[in-house]
Amino acid sequence: DAKTTQPTSMDCAEGRAANLPCNHSTISGNEYVYWYRQIHSQGPQYIIHGLKNNETNEMASLIITEDRKSSTLILPHATLRDTAVYYCIVRAYNTDKLIFGTGTRLQVFP
Amino acid sequence: EPEVTQTPSHQVTQMGQEVILRCVPISNHLYFYWYRQILGQKVEFLVSFYNNEISEKSEIFDDQFSVERPDGSNFTLKIRSTKLEDSAMYFCASSGSSGYQETQYFGPGTRLLVL
Repeated sequence: DAKTTQPTSMDCAEGRAANLPCNHSTISGNEYVYWYRQIHSQGPQYIIHGLKNNETNEMASLIITEDRKSSTLILPHATLRDTAVYYCIVRAYNTDKLIFGTGTRLQVFP
Repeated sequence: EPEVTQTPSHQVTQMGQEVILRCVPISNHLYFYWYRQILGQKVEFLVSFYNNEISEKSEIFDDQFSVERPDGSNFTLKIRSTKLEDSAMYFCASSGSSGYQETQYFGPGTRLLVL
């Protein structure tokens, strides 16, 4: 399984864009990058996923580098409710399971 | 928006007792999963289930654990004889199909405390 590396924690001012980086240098060509977040001890919440193209939905944007070795999740206008642990997961093609790391703890402050 | 639901939200049990955790997956989903998260640790995969069969399981999912789809809407996780180390949040998830392109949607979890 491709390993991901994320910063342990980040801060962001409310109303500003939060840019959360993820390195996945061993990703294979057919593996997707998924982002989930977990607020307190609630169930992981799906945010977005992508293969090679940049993706955008109502929650966030996902920017994947051309070599696919890293990606950035962008929350365009962070709110206090975006305070959570954000997980970058490389989804292997031959397994059902999601492998969660320790993620990035994002603290949005007023 | 459809969502995965889980009951109970909290369960306290004595060591050695059996517990059943219940989940109602999203209605048109066919693939179901259980994960757990021990306090302060990572979310860990336990098992995936499709067409009334386990399709994949982790090393954690030993003979003490079983899963079942008893009817058309529920998906359950049974722990036969609970241990102290089974204390954790248990999350159910579902997806429309299998494969690495399919998003798994998680429920809110059941907090299990074994005394």
